[in-house]
Amino acid sequence: ETGVTQSPTHLIKTRGQQVTLRCSSQSGHNTVSWYQQALGQGPQFIFQYYREEENGRGNFPPRFSGLQFPNYSSELNVNALELDDSALYLCASSSQTSITGELFFGEGSRLTVL
Amino acid sequence: QQQVKQSPQSLIVQKGGISIINCAYENTAFDYFPWYQQFPGKGPALLIAIRPDVSEKKEGRFTISFNKSAKQFSLHIMDSQPGDSATYFCAAVVQGGSEKLVFGKGMKLTVNP
Repeated sequence: ETGVTQSPTHLIKTRGQQVTLRCSSQSGHNTVSWYQQALGQGPQFIFQYYREEENGRGNFPPRFSGLQFPNYSSELNVNALELDDSALYLCASSSQTSITGELFFGEGSRLTVL
Repeated sequence: QQQVKQSPQSLIVQKGGISIINCAYENTAFDYFPWYQQFPGKGPALLIAIRPDVSEKKEGRFTISFNKSAKQFSLHIMDSQPGDSATYFCAAVVQGGSEKLVFGKGMKLTVNP
């Protein structure tokens, strides 16, 4: 087991709604990254949080936002949902002190937007 | 713009055969190239990784070959087993600072018994 847990595992929303996804990082990891994986595609980087601050962002609009808490857990918030937001959202934790920088992924939250 | 291109998109091999997945990258600043394995309903998990100062790395039945001048790298799975059936992603990253893995589109491997 990776130790990264995500919730909820599945959810259905309608266009225009807002969603919050949650992630608990692996013990000892201080960095959390979020990825969007559309069906049949590779994960795409959304953003990364380190010490409660955003530390890098991919090509996603501002309606994708996040938080990291003092215990290193994190939230991904998406406002004004669009049909194309339907995807598997993956959280990955890592340690800034890791030589390899390996990411440990959770099982994801599958979002369906109708 | 897709920075890491992966091929083929899918592959079917018989048990005991060799599976080969190829990737090409564009950004010469990439300095770490991991391969991730993803089973249905699971998140990706690191399989094996290589740095550009090494031309080959082997771990058990899995071998990465790296060609820095061609900006290409590949994963070879020897003696493929049905349990290897999964989706494989190559990725690349510039380490240091805000590390952002750039993934290929993935290759679905099916190993028939």
